[in-house]
Amino acid sequence: DAGITQSPRHKVTETGTPVTLRCHQTENHRYMYWYRQDPGHGLRLIHYSYGVKDTDKGEVSDGYSVSRSKTEDFLLTLESATSSQTSVYFCAIRPDRGPPIDGYTFGSGTRLTVV
Amino acid sequence: GESVGLHLPTLSVQEGDNSIINCAYSNSASDYFIWYKQESGKGPQFIIDIRSNMDKRQGQRVTVLLNKTVKHLSLQIAATQPGDSAVYFCAEVAGANNLFFGTGTRLTVIP
Repeated sequence: DAGITQSPRHKVTETGTPVTLRCHQTENHRYMYWYRQDPGHGLRLIHYSYGVKDTDKGEVSDGYSVSRSKTEDFLLTLESATSSQTSVYFCAIRPDRGPPIDGYTFGSGTRLTVV
Repeated sequence: GESVGLHLPTLSVQEGDNSIINCAYSNSASDYFIWYKQESGKGPQFIIDIRSNMDKRQGQRVTVLLNKTVKHLSLQIAATQPGDSAVYFCAEVAGANNLFFGTGTRLTVIP
């Protein structure tokens, strides 16, 4: 999607290893989000950021940490990956103005498999 | 917490027919509801939204209806085309920093 890039697109890792996913935006938006998508659960919020070094937990934050050292990058880290973290991870950004009137813009996702 | 669900997990329609995708929600305090379309291998794509003080909103070939009395949301797609085949999610906007998504409905358009 224009303005938002996720990397890698696919990753297979072993249980217990650390993994970092990257979200990069070129829109200069203040708000950035990490979601995971699993069958039967839709998308669920992991963490979000409302500015450089400003982050907060979402609905399913256990086992994840995030960092935002500059506006354009939002990193999601699995400190010690578990099989339950096998999922598709989506990053999203939204305009700074008020409520998300025009919705969020989502990246294309990262498919993570923990074996 | 909030609950956003869908009545039907799959929907098949003939090309050219109208499609109706339904969604139930539980948080009557939500300000907005948004419909997303997700094609295989891609992220959700915004289709249309509706404020909680509206009953209906129309876009290009799509209409969203909101019935707050029964906490029901629907997406109507007119003259459904093969390119409309995707998974459709409703999302409930709860505050400034979270969307609560339903589990999705897979729409299949039969040529």
